[in-house]
Amino acid sequence: NAGVMQNPRHLVRRRGQEARLRCSPMKGHSHVYWYRQLPEEGLKFMVYLQKENIIDESGMPKERFSAEFPKEGPSILRIQQVVRGDSAAYFCASCLQGGTEAFFGQGTRLTVV
Amino acid sequence: GESVGLHLPTLSVQEGDNSIINCAYSNSASDYFIWYKQESGKGPQFIIDIRSNMDKRQGQRVTVLLNKTVKHLSLQIAATQPGDSAVYFCAENNNDMRFGAGTRLTVKP
Repeated sequence: NAGVMQNPRHLVRRRGQEARLRCSPMKGHSHVYWYRQLPEEGLKFMVYLQKENIIDESGMPKERFSAEFPKEGPSILRIQQVVRGDSAAYFCASCLQGGTEAFFGQGTRLTVV
Repeated sequence: GESVGLHLPTLSVQEGDNSIINCAYSNSASDYFIWYKQESGKGPQFIIDIRSNMDKRQGQRVTVLLNKTVKHLSLQIAATQPGDSAVYFCAENNNDMRFGAGTRLTVKP
């Protein structure tokens, strides 16, 4: 049973381009969280999704950022028109349902040049 | 609650000593808590969890204590080893999962 898979592991984008980060949850998990982390800082909550449903997006910027978790396929975190300040590590975690053990992927390190 | 934009507090211990890492949480209604370990360049790794109907839970070399009165969690690591060096985060998981600031543990040989 593979763990949470994130790809790509490293992503370089020029300012103004789009970044698409993918997260495949553990088998059987229908809930996904996305977090952003800057070096030497904590994990900042962005969004919590269930398949085909956004449960809580209170941590996600209103503009340029969107997330989805379709019925089939991975969860996608999409950042449009990236700026240098978007450079960070983005982690996703999955769980069976809210309030249960959540397991993390290895993250995607986004660098905006 | 979440702590963002704060640099990590650090704890330095001698190899073989016990380590205690503390965490305060904000939501008195929280009923599920998790400790994670994050090594450099990796994702957070689940260590141990506890539900609010318990005060203490033990794993292999780790113990989590929960004090609901003062909304405080602690992670105790027995006989700390160099491989324990990492950043440790606590999380409240009430559907949405929010993390504390984290503590960097450094183990001196």
